[in-house]
Formats: sequence, C-alpha cells, structure tokens
Amino acid sequence: DIQMTQSPSSLSASVGDRVTITCRASQSISGYLSWYQQKPGNAPKLLIYAASSLQSGVPSRFSGSGSGTDFTLTISSLQPEDFATYYCQQSYSLPLTFGQGTRLEI
Amino acid sequence: QVQLVESGGGVVQPGRSLRLSCAASGFTFSNYALHWVRQAPGKGLEWVAFISDDGTNKYYADSVKGRFTISRDNYKNTLYLQMNSLRAEDTAVYHCAREGMGATRRSFDYWGQGTLVTVSS
Repeated sequence: DIQMTQSPSSLSASVGDRVTITCRASQSISGYLSWYQQKPGNAPKLLIYAASSLQSGVPSRFSGSGSGTDFTLTISSLQPEDFATYYCQQSYSLPLTFGQGTRLEI
Repeated sequence: QVQLVESGGGVVQPGRSLRLSCAASGFTFSNYALHWVRQAPGKGLEWVAFISDDGTNKYYADSVKGRFTISRDNYKNTLYLQMNSLRAEDTAVYHCAREGMGATRRSFDYWGQGTLVTVSS
C-alpha cells in the first residue's frame, strides 16, 4: 500500500498569511494526488485533483503542485473560512490512501 | 444537484451486523463508481471500499476484508455497505463518496454527510 505523509500535522496562521502544506508519498504516484478540506461536522470537500487542477468553484487562492513523491498545497492569502483540516489522497492505485491531515488554526 | 444521503448507522454490539445505505440523486447513478470512506472520532479519513459503476468490481481495505460487503442497486440509485462481525475499531462516521471521471478518477468529487456507527457493548 502507498503511504501518504503530511507535514506539518498542525499549523497556526493568521488571516492574510501564505500557507504551504506538504504531502509525501511512499512511492511515485506521478500526478495522482488530490487535496481535500474538511470543516468540523462536515464532509470533506475536493479542492485540487491531479496535483494541480482546481476543482470547480474552489477559490483561486488555493493551488497545488508537485509530482512523483512530493506535493504541496498552497493557500496564497488565508481567509477566515479557510481554517479547517486538510488531507491529501493518492489516486494512483487501490487501496486509496490519505495523509493523516493538517489542522490549520488561527 | 448531486446528493448523497447515508442512513443505517447506530449503536451495535461487537460481533453483530449492520447495513448502511446511501441514497443518491442529481446524477446518473449507474455511470459512476462509488466508495465508502470512514472517519473514527477525532481521527483522519480511511478509505473502506470501492465498487465499479456496474457493480462487477469491488475492492476492500485490509481492515474490513472478509467482514464488509459493498453492493449497489442501479435501479434504486442506492449504495450499500453490509458490515458483519463488527469490532470496536469500526466505530466511525461512514461517508459514501462518488468517484470522479477523467482527471478526477479515483478522487472523490461528492460526499455524503455520513452516518455514525458505534460498536460498543
């Protein structure tokens, strides 16, 4: 199985900050990487797919990059509604696996 | 709009069974692969099971293989998860999720809100 490791596990930031979250795969997954945002009590929401493609309706301050084993999610200017937990997920092969999550706090 | 609504969760004793359902609407159900993803209280996301659009291909996480069975009824637009021999570690919110197509293949573009399963004596 492909293991996904996110860093950091938690992050404190302020409105307007630029934030980067990293995800590393235990083997190459090419560009088969998705990012999700989850707020307490809600289902996850797809933000980024294929490493760098923005899902429809997602603000352009979110961006993704990377290929192979190393990937990043960047939020260019944090907004109050962005404080949530973020997960990466490899879509390369079954079983599908998620990172452990990054909690973004004020 | 796309909607996925889970039901069937509850409190169950260890070793017992439970069947979850996920009613879908707003899209052509039979065109999409579907998954179950769970989240233990205060923990991260764990993929549980996959079923292809026509129901012929299924795949399970090792943690549930041999105990859980995923199925679907493309006439009723409903996804199921039969859970047998339940264990305390199966306690979680269970989400059904639609798999995307094309570039979003093997990603989850829509999720249900989930149904809570608590395994406890």
